[in-house]
Amino acid sequence: NAGVTQTPKFRVLKTGQSMTLLCAQDMNHEYMYWYRQDPGMGLRLIHYSVGEGTTAKGEVPDGYNVSRLKKQNFLLGLESAAPSQTSVYFCASSYPGLASYEQYFGPGTRLTVT
Amino acid sequence: EDQVTQSPEALRLQEGESSSLNCSYTVSGLRGLFWYRQDPGKGPEFLFTLYSAGEEKEKERLKATLTKKESFLHITAPKPEDSATYLCALRTGSQGNLIFGKGTKLSVKP
Repeated sequence: NAGVTQTPKFRVLKTGQSMTLLCAQDMNHEYMYWYRQDPGMGLRLIHYSVGEGTTAKGEVPDGYNVSRLKKQNFLLGLESAAPSQTSVYFCASSYPGLASYEQYFGPGTRLTVT
Repeated sequence: EDQVTQSPEALRLQEGESSSLNCSYTVSGLRGLFWYRQDPGKGPEFLFTLYSAGEEKEKERLKATLTKKESFLHITAPKPEDSATYLCALRTGSQGNLIFGKGTKLSVKP
């Protein structure tokens, strides 16, 4: 099992450009999450999904969109990148059948917007 | 408002010098308190979940404990390979969403 994988690992964008980050999990988890991690701010939830075809906003959703067309994939889109979106992005997944809802994280995508 | 605060921000220990990391929290109804380990350049790795005051869990040199207001991660006789950032998180709501603290960066020198 690969667990949670993220593509790409690194990306540099210019202000105004768009891109999509891909998260894939092979654990058959229902729930998936996108976080951003900034120095001094900790991990903050951007959007999440509780199942195929569903999405919901987290703590910091502005400037991002998501889609969950397949259970194993969760896409994070930036339509018009801004320097404030420079961050490390982590995807996570969890299974509600686990009593604790522990989340399993991917390796991250480091995004720089110039 | 649900909140998680970790202290200290950074901790330097000598190998073998035991210590504790603190996670204080406020929550309307505790559904789970989580500890994660994060190595530089990697995603967080799940360590423990605690549900109720008095609960304890152990893994190798780590032991997590929980009271009604705080959780502690005790590190006994740490080794350099225990160096990492340790994150505390609180589960909120029914959908498993987590609120994370800012972490404690632990450095263990040989």
